[in-house]
Amino acid sequence: AQSVTQLGSHVSVSEGALVLLRCNYSSSVPPYLFWYVQYPNQGLQLLLKYTSAATLVKGINGFEAEFKKSETSFHLTKPSAHMSDAAEYFCAVSPGGADGLTFGKGTHLIIQP
Amino acid sequence: EPEVTQTPSHQVTQMGQEVILRCVPISNHLYFYWYRQILGQKVEFLVSFYNNEISEKSEIFDDQFSVERPDGSNFTLKIRSTKLEDSAMYFCASNRDNSYEQYFGPGTRLTVT
Repeated sequence: AQSVTQLGSHVSVSEGALVLLRCNYSSSVPPYLFWYVQYPNQGLQLLLKYTSAATLVKGINGFEAEFKKSETSFHLTKPSAHMSDAAEYFCAVSPGGADGLTFGKGTHLIIQP
Repeated sequence: EPEVTQTPSHQVTQMGQEVILRCVPISNHLYFYWYRQILGQKVEFLVSFYNNEISEKSEIFDDQFSVERPDGSNFTLKIRSTKLEDSAMYFCASNRDNSYEQYFGPGTRLTVT
């Protein structure tokens, strides 16, 4: 069984500040981890993925995430927030292959001018 | 860039009616999925489909739901007798063989009145 916990349903940062969105997971097998972004009235877009290669994963739009097995975490970061980053962010876990993704509840990122 | 498409974008139906939601996955993908997102809640896995049969389904995917790949391009989700609680955004996703990242469509918003 797998689960994902995203701490903070809403995170607010100033434009240009560091973005940190937290994700902790539990998985009975080595996990594959993903971050998806959802802009208003749109579908889910893959930001980045961890599939047991490098623990520091770089994604699109300047985002990156680090897989820490000892902490069962996969936090998403971006050094400098941009107004266009305002969106809902979902962390997801999968045992791999064709299995369905298990999503966290999402974190709404608000960017203050 | 190839993308997953879904029709219609919005479907309104009366309780008890049957609805069919349609998806066209990316053409060289072999695994297909349906997820739903009730307003304000997390994305939930419904079912995965491979080689013309269901691979995995969640407890949400009861006898009211069915999936079909009627031809070489479409992938459909049928709800036989809709209930008010079926109101949600329904997302279709697909991925390649041996690939872990799922590509999502823009979703169909189903409103049951």
